[in-house]
Amino acid sequence: EVQLVESGGGLVQPGGSLRLSCAASGFTFSNYEMNWVRQAPGKGLEWVSYISSSGNIIYYADSVKGRFTISRDNAKNSLFLQMNSLRVEDAAIYSCASLTLTGYNYFDLWGQGTLVTVAS
Amino acid sequence: SYVLTQPPSVSVAPGKTARITCGGNNIGSKSVHWYQQKPGQAPVLVIYYYNDRPSGIPERFSGSISGNTASLTISRVEVGDEADYYCQVWDSSSDHWVFGGGTKLTVL
Repeated sequence: EVQLVESGGGLVQPGGSLRLSCAASGFTFSNYEMNWVRQAPGKGLEWVSYISSSGNIIYYADSVKGRFTISRDNAKNSLFLQMNSLRVEDAAIYSCASLTLTGYNYFDLWGQGTLVTVAS
Repeated sequence: SYVLTQPPSVSVAPGKTARITCGGNNIGSKSVHWYQQKPGQAPVLVIYYYNDRPSGIPERFSGSISGNTASLTISRVEVGDEADYYCQVWDSSSDHWVFGGGTKLTVL
């Protein structure tokens, strides 16, 4: 079955750190460009970060640049998001999503997400 | 940064046509994609590249562009279409993916 499964979410204090993981299965992970997208409770979707299939090209949303680091391990079919200096406004469900191979820059597979809560 | 503007809510009666708009500067020069998200579920792509439908999406869903506004049209609306809908583009000037704020479709 083709799927993405996130893990690593939890409760963290402001200023703290958390590392999210996304396990891919059922497809050739190393061929796909990957992203993290988040959704605060009751709010809309917000793109967070992108990484190319080989990991050599990376982009971040302005809201997380300098605090979050995206990475991947193609040998382990895994995507990661290291989140440092967390703020209350970073609280959200974080989902990994693959970018279509068509070149049209849409997300064609999503995970169910992992919840990150930032509170003291 | 590039901004996409959607109405917060749209209401429609079953069997009628719903139209959800997405405004953006020179949006016609970008590929616009639409997602449907039901409560507690991951988003599902319903329209890509203006008006193409992924496999399994009913023909009732269609997309269009006019001026600085993209639209998602749902014909013969069903109760099961009730969901949040998001437009999305890739902004090449910033290498950022951008979502609209989302529109809650209510089927009365």
